[in-house]
Amino acid sequence: DAGVTQSPTHLIKTRGQQVTLRCSPKSGHDTVSWYQQALGQGPQFIFQYYEEEERQRGNFPDRFSGHQFPNYSSELNVNALLLGDSALYLCASSSRSDRRLAGELFFGEGSRLTVL
Amino acid sequence: GIQVEQSPPDLILQEGANSTLRCNFSDSVNNLQWFHQNPWGQLINLFYIPSGTKQNGRLSATTVATERYSLLYISSSQTTDSGVYFCAVVRYGGSQGNLIFGKGTKLSVKP
Repeated sequence: DAGVTQSPTHLIKTRGQQVTLRCSPKSGHDTVSWYQQALGQGPQFIFQYYEEEERQRGNFPDRFSGHQFPNYSSELNVNALLLGDSALYLCASSSRSDRRLAGELFFGEGSRLTVL
Repeated sequence: GIQVEQSPPDLILQEGANSTLRCNFSDSVNNLQWFHQNPWGQLINLFYIPSGTKQNGRLSATTVATERYSLLYISSSQTTDSGVYFCAVVRYGGSQGNLIFGKGTKLSVKP
């Protein structure tokens, strides 16, 4: 049973560029949430996707956008990169439709983005 | 919004010692999870524990929802227990995926 998988694991971009990060949820999960973790801080919620729609959004600008596909996988896109976007980006999956799973979140290994 | 405070911020232990990590939260919660973040950044699930007590090997956790705190106990610590421990909650009525994290407790276990 594969857990949450993310790609790429590391990437380097320059200011102004755009980046796409990818996430496949744990088997049996239908909901994907994205988090940003700056160095020395706890993760912060960016947004959540369920049934291919953004359901909730944290305090992040519109430069951060996402998508969910019919197979429940998801992408996070960041446009016009700033130095401050350098962080570990974490994807978490859970199940909204299966109440037995109680909403527990499982995280991937993350994508470490460096903006130069 | 809901506040999550973890203590202590840093903890240094000798191998074999026991420790207690605390998480206080400022409002009612639907969900509370404890994670261990390893040096490579992965968040490893320890407990899903919005209330009650659970045990898993050398680790156990207790959440007293009415008093808005949770405790994580680590017994007979090992060097592999080193890393950052996070408590995270979903506020009551909040979205399932919107976990609010504390700042973490950085644990170093010395051989």
